[in-house]
Amino acid sequence: GAGVSQSPRYKVAKRGQDVALRCDPISGHVSLFWYQQALGQGPEFLTYFQNEAQLDKSGLPSDRFFAERPEGSVSTLKIQRTQQEDSAVYLCASSAGLAGGWVEQETQYFGPGTRLLVL
Amino acid sequence: KQEVTQIPAALSVPEGENLVLNCSFTDSAIYNLQWFRQDPGKGLTSLLLIQSSQREQTSGRLNASLDKSSGRSTLYIAASQPGDSATYLCAVGLGTSYDKVIFGPGTSLSVIP
Repeated sequence: GAGVSQSPRYKVAKRGQDVALRCDPISGHVSLFWYQQALGQGPEFLTYFQNEAQLDKSGLPSDRFFAERPEGSVSTLKIQRTQQEDSAVYLCASSAGLAGGWVEQETQYFGPGTRLLVL
Repeated sequence: KQEVTQIPAALSVPEGENLVLNCSFTDSAIYNLQWFRQDPGKGLTSLLLIQSSQREQTSGRLNASLDKSSGRSTLYIAASQPGDSATYLCAVGLGTSYDKVIFGPGTSLSVIP
C-alpha cells in the first residue's frame, strides 16, 4: 500500500463521450479530494469527501461532473458528455484526518493524476 | 475573491545557486499557506506549511516565510541541486479544516548542472 493511485493515467475521449476516473486513496484515509489542473495552472478544488459523505461539491464546474465514494475508500469522478474545456489533469488527494491536510502535522497525499484529453 | 500569483513563471539557475520563489495573495485573511513541489507526471508533494500565526518554517535547505499583512510568501532554496528541478506551487488555506484551497499557477524551476 504505497501512495494514492489513479487510473487511467491517460485518457483520450471524443467530445460527447462519458468518462470515469478512479482514485484509490491510502488505506484508512478519511478525507479525499478531487482537483482539476489545467495546463500551466495550479490545481482547482472540485469536491471533498469525508468517508463516504460528499461534504462539498461546490467546485464541480457543471452538472456533467459527478463524484462518488460509496464505501468510503475508492472514489470515482465521472464526466458526462465531455467537452474540450474538460481537458486537464485530474488530481486526487487523501489525508488521514478530518482536516484534510490543512492542520500542522497532517499531510495531504496526492496521486499522480489522470491526464484527460477531449478531442 | 482570493487570488494567488507566483513570480517568476519559470526560472533557470546554475547548480549551487541560492534562489527565492515568490508567492502573492490578494486577501490577507488566510488560515495558512503551504508550498508544494510537483514533478512532471506526478502529484504534488507538500514541502512546508506555515500557519497564519507563524512567520517562517524551515526544512533542510528550504525556508518559507510568510508576511500576511503584505500578502506575500517566499520560498528560499539554498545551494540548489539538479534534483530540485520541478514546479513549485504555493497554496493558501482559507479555513480551519478542509476548506477550499487556492493554488497559485506555480514556478517552473530548472537547476542546470
